[in-house]
Amino acid sequence: EAGVAQSPRYKIIEKRQSVAFWCNPISGHATLYWYQQILGQGPKLLIQFQNNGVVDDSQLPKDRFSAERLKGVDSTLKIQPAKLEDSAVYLCASSRLAGGETQYFGPGTRLLVL
Amino acid sequence: DAKTTQPPSMDCAEGRAANLPCNHSTISGNEYVYWYRQIHSQGPQYIIHGLKNNETNEMASLIITEDRKSSTLILPHATLRDTAVYYCIVRPRDNDMRFGAGTRLTVKP
Repeated sequence: EAGVAQSPRYKIIEKRQSVAFWCNPISGHATLYWYQQILGQGPKLLIQFQNNGVVDDSQLPKDRFSAERLKGVDSTLKIQPAKLEDSAVYLCASSRLAGGETQYFGPGTRLLVL
Repeated sequence: DAKTTQPPSMDCAEGRAANLPCNHSTISGNEYVYWYRQIHSQGPQYIIHGLKNNETNEMASLIITEDRKSSTLILPHATLRDTAVYYCIVRPRDNDMRFGAGTRLTVKP
């Protein structure tokens, strides 16, 4: 079974630029998550999708971050405009069902904002 | 969600058992204990979870105390590839996961 795929693996941008990350979950997984992991900390949930609907986006900074999962499969997370403090690893995870299920993580995208 | 307390770092000799403790004294009756680990430059990896009973799988064993206020993850024969940050998370089945800082386990030859 293929795992969660993410791209790009690394991205360097200047502040105020825009950036987008892509995630393809494990086939058949209904729930998709985006996490932000700042160096030295554990991952922090940004947004959770159930199929193509948002379940929880309470920790997403909506003034600059947006995410979509239009067809209920792959997802895109965008930052516009980026700030220095957005430098982090952005992790995508998926699970078979909503909540309670084991989450499987992708390798992450490492973002550096200069 | 209940909060967890883990030591920031631990060392273990290769081939020996690694015992990673986790305190969760405010755990509720419907909250499970989950363990994940994160090897450098990779995403977190699921290890094991349990509610009340001890659990074992091909990766590890999970020992939960009778009062459920603490647990121990046991890697029976640690290898260098087990060097990672280990996260203990308590959550109800339907809630999202809240990661703490975890325990950085270093397995030494």
